[in-house]
Amino acid sequence: AQKVTQAQTEISVVEKEDVTLDCVYETRDTTYYLFWYKQPPSGELVFLIRRNSFDEQNEISGRYSWNFQKSTSSFNFTITASQVVDSAVYFCALSEARAAGNKLTFGGGTRVLVKP
Amino acid sequence: AAGVIQSPRHLIKEKRETATLKCYPIPRHDTVYWYQQGPGQDPQFLISFYEKMQSDKGSIPDRFSAQQFSDYHSELNMSSLELGDSALYFCASSLNLRTGSSDEQFFGPGTRLTVL
Repeated sequence: AQKVTQAQTEISVVEKEDVTLDCVYETRDTTYYLFWYKQPPSGELVFLIRRNSFDEQNEISGRYSWNFQKSTSSFNFTITASQVVDSAVYFCALSEARAAGNKLTFGGGTRVLVKP
Repeated sequence: AAGVIQSPRHLIKEKRETATLKCYPIPRHDTVYWYQQGPGQDPQFLISFYEKMQSDKGSIPDRFSAQQFSDYHSELNMSSLELGDSALYFCASSLNLRTGSSDEQFFGPGTRLTVL
């Protein structure tokens, strides 16, 4: 069975500080996909990033970066120079590789509060 | 760009009533997913459809049923509503290839169901 754990329930920072969100996952699949979604106070779920299990290259996209380490089953996410608009709940998610209908298993979410 | 459309956005029902939630996926997307998010919780997978056939089933109560129609829109039917069914119901869509690729799921704005 798949499982995603986000140990941090809430993080509070002051604007312009960096924020790193931890995510640890469990799966028996050798091929899988990892995602980060953002849920602002308005409630919608916004896709941020996706990584394949066979691609451990870490990248930076604007103020977002991620650190995927298969050896430790971790997929951490960093927001650089945080802004008030980054305040939201962030979910890490995992899906297995199947022909179709790859359901997402979400972590419990981390609430990020960025204060001005 | 077109997004996933869900209707209604808000729904208030009494216990034991029925409710129907509708989802219109992004054009050309062939897979639809339904998730339930209780207050302060992470989204939980209910059911998914690929090319109008059920592709996966999660923790969906027997009181709920769903289907995907020929135009790819989907409906989630909920009967004998209980107080615990009060939640945000998300529909997501994706384009899944037979090769096993897991494209990102794009979520609709959600339907907030309140059962009184």
